[in-house]
Amino acid sequence: GAGVSQSPSNKVTEKGKDVELRCDPISGHTALYWYRQSLGQGLEFLIYFQGNSAPDKSGLPSDRFSAERTGGSVSTLTIQRTQQEDSAVYLCASSLAGSIRITGELFFGEGSRLTVL
Amino acid sequence: AQKVTQAQTEISVVEKEDVTLDCVYETRDTTYYLFWYKQPPSGELVFLIRRNSFDEQNEISGRYSWNFQKSTSSFNFTITASQVVDSAVYFCALSPRNSGNTPLVFGKGTRLSVIA
Repeated sequence: GAGVSQSPSNKVTEKGKDVELRCDPISGHTALYWYRQSLGQGLEFLIYFQGNSAPDKSGLPSDRFSAERTGGSVSTLTIQRTQQEDSAVYLCASSLAGSIRITGELFFGEGSRLTVL
Repeated sequence: AQKVTQAQTEISVVEKEDVTLDCVYETRDTTYYLFWYKQPPSGELVFLIRRNSFDEQNEISGRYSWNFQKSTSSFNFTITASQVVDSAVYFCALSPRNSGNTPLVFGKGTRLSVIA
């Protein structure tokens, strides 16, 4: 597609349920990032993929959070046993390999807004 | 540790006023990159500018200008003659390492409201 696509755009779930958030990056972009944006907290880094591997998982807040990427393309962020504090907008971004230092640009999706009741 | 501080949480200005958004960063790296992104109400972050730590020359792009001062670890963003369409959340970010596609470290953002 032309841009980074995320689904669902909105998800309301009950505490304790599992949720999956999907990110479809720009075709050809090998680097993929997940960020979380909570009210008043800015953008919190979660995980980064280069191809299918995740060299940096340092931002995942707990073992309830996991992410995978297959075929060097689509990525899924899974949150198990959701808690109310997981409520946030989850943003995905992609870029060409090494391009941050060349063009400086991350391409962001519009995010998935998660509300845990 | 790498850190980006945007001390202004919210700013409100009247249309046509100039406004400066502050950004202060911390890093131990000698080479790094600084960025500004705009997040309009639609939610999608839009890239505005990248600056290499070696280049302290100020930059101007239309009504936007950026003032990078390494001595004070600041990378401030000024909008002149603000317009309602400038209303958004603006994020400053830092890329702290020298190789690879390392994730950007973002500040908490400044919400700018331009009132007609």
